[in-house]
Amino acid sequence: DTEVTQTPKHLVMGMTNKKSLKCEQHMGHRAMYWYKQKAKKPPELMFVYSYEKLSINESVPSRFSPECPNSSLLNLHLHALQPEDSALYLCASSQGRRTVSYNEQFFGPGTRLTVL
Amino acid sequence: TQLLEQSPQFLSIQEGENLTVYCNSSSVFSSLQWYRQEPGEGPVLLVTVVTGGEVKKLKRLTFQFGDARKDSSLHITAAQPGDTGLYLCAGVPGTASKLTFGTGTRLQVTL
Repeated sequence: DTEVTQTPKHLVMGMTNKKSLKCEQHMGHRAMYWYKQKAKKPPELMFVYSYEKLSINESVPSRFSPECPNSSLLNLHLHALQPEDSALYLCASSQGRRTVSYNEQFFGPGTRLTVL
Repeated sequence: TQLLEQSPQFLSIQEGENLTVYCNSSSVFSSLQWYRQEPGEGPVLLVTVVTGGEVKKLKRLTFQFGDARKDSSLHITAAQPGDTGLYLCAGVPGTASKLTFGTGTRLQVTL
């Protein structure tokens, strides 16, 4: 299984809502990532989890809260978002060691988030 | 400062034409990846190049890693509409710990 799945596919939320994005992989990867992608731009890294521990937080606002319940799952909890947070949110995973494979990330299809 | 600059930014060609996309940096990379992303989908890994001067082929796509491991190119022969998408190079420069994406090249192939 070489697939990363993400739910939901689309999400529309108001600025006072609380919602969560979910990501799952069964490739045995030990590194998982959240990216934000605006239209016609490359993905921007938000968070990295390595062996279920948060290893990188790219100065993301606290209204985004990541969680890694186990090695296969990654969540992104959303609260009090702003309209400018509307974007495609991508989850990815990779091998958890510093080898060439570590840099090969497998992406999910993304969640298209719209904040009203 | 963008570590990985891609050119061109946008390319619109007709089916059957050849094209080359460039990915340049002043930093050395231990490896570089190329991804293709279709609208509304996540990037899909196409190839990883590791050794300076390495050439890899994937059907009509040819990838090359520069001798100094600072740049890479993607050449597509006889482009087809199915090649349409956003092409991204990516790599981890020097002793950095996170993947850096290139600025992207948007390719449109028409009939």
